[in-house]
Amino acid sequence: QQPVQSPQAVILREGEDAVINCSSSKALYSVHWYRQKHGEAPVFLMILLKGGEQKGHEKISASFNEKKQQSSLYLTASQLSYSGTYFCGTEVNNAGNMLTFGGGTRLMVKP
Amino acid sequence: DAGITQSPRHKVTETGTPVTLRCHQTENHRYMYWYRQDPGHGLRLIHYSYGVKDTDKGEVSDGYSVSRSKTEDFLLTLESATSSQTSVYFCAISSGTGDYEQYFGPGTRLTVT
Repeated sequence: QQPVQSPQAVILREGEDAVINCSSSKALYSVHWYRQKHGEAPVFLMILLKGGEQKGHEKISASFNEKKQQSSLYLTASQLSYSGTYFCGTEVNNAGNMLTFGGGTRLMVKP
Repeated sequence: DAGITQSPRHKVTETGTPVTLRCHQTENHRYMYWYRQDPGHGLRLIHYSYGVKDTDKGEVSDGYSVSRSKTEDFLLTLESATSSQTSVYFCAISSGTGDYEQYFGPGTRLTVT
């Protein structure tokens, strides 16, 4: 079953913060986050593993709540380049890196 | 950027015709995947491979078959294309499981008329 992402879309001004959530009904082994710009391929952002720590990369970070089977992606002080669609991909066991992706969250950052 | 290419990049075909999409990698990664992307559905896994001649089905495998005779090539075949298979198809590669990211190819836009 597909993980549920929320919100489906968000519009920000440059410098504002955003949180994107990913929720699964299954016990997860890992959560992957990707960003896709229009007409391009998805690009990897980060992975969170069961039992692992919160990760961050510059102004983008993520957390994984194992008890709730939820992950959140945090974008702080957003930049125009952050615009795109964000997908979470969930893996339910450590076998083949098979991911089930959420429906995506469209993020638009305006000047 | 990971060395992964897809061919063709665009294709228009008629209902009932066979179609083969090719994914080629130069990274020597073990795992290869085929996804389709449709509005409102995100990315859905069609088939994946965990080695030469080792493949398995994903969540939307009906109407598709795959083959992997070499590490670098992963072929997706639509035996008899239908309009519901109009989509953007992405190939992805990964070197391992768990803490290993997937790298996506540029995609193939397939239109079945």
